[in-house]
Amino acid sequence: QKEVEQDPGPLSVPEGAIVSLNCTYSNSAFQYFMWYRQYSRKGPELLMYTYSSGNKEDGRFTAQVDKSSKYISLFIRDSQPSDSATYLCAMTGLIKAAGNKLTFGGGTRVLVKP
Amino acid sequence: EAQVTQNPRYLITVTGKKLTVTCSQNMNHEYMSWYRQDPGLGLRQIYYSMNVEVTDKGDVPEGYKVSRKEKRNFPLILESPSPNQTSLYFCASSLTDRGQSEQYFGPGTRLTVT
Repeated sequence: QKEVEQDPGPLSVPEGAIVSLNCTYSNSAFQYFMWYRQYSRKGPELLMYTYSSGNKEDGRFTAQVDKSSKYISLFIRDSQPSDSATYLCAMTGLIKAAGNKLTFGGGTRVLVKP
Repeated sequence: EAQVTQNPRYLITVTGKKLTVTCSQNMNHEYMSWYRQDPGLGLRQIYYSMNVEVTDKGDVPEGYKVSRKEKRNFPLILESPSPNQTSLYFCASSLTDRGQSEQYFGPGTRLTVT
């Protein structure tokens, strides 16, 4: 079983819809939770960063972390065609021996149709 | 511009022919790492370095070597590439090795070993 599970999609939505993405994880040592966006033939770029449980909002993006359920979510409001990309969840913890190693989900491909 | 650069971006080689993928960052980051990305498996860490002359194995180190002689550079070496090392490779760096330190990714190197 993978440490981080993420539905690969693809997830197809019409422009303007809310995109809902999520990941589940098994390692309770994870403390820092991230969402990366990856366009085709590009490197991942950090979208949202959350420490421990709670919500964080940045423009059209909202990240939620529920550590009790080991479940994290990303919501994209008013989705645009430019949001079409693969979204990767990633997490890391206070595991000194591993440094800042990120454990990634497999990524969800999102397609926003005009 | 703050960035992580990788070279080459694309490489096709044959089994057993030694190759090096270079990685350089201009942000004076202490922590650097290499990941490989494969369909359905997400990104997995190959090696990481917490500082100059300090390197350690990640989750999938077999068949790879690294060195960190200068803070800005972290080359990935494949001494005898095999077809199962065909993948998309990313170099990443962060200011420190702590979980709250944002990781920046390079543009990726697509390697094909025939």
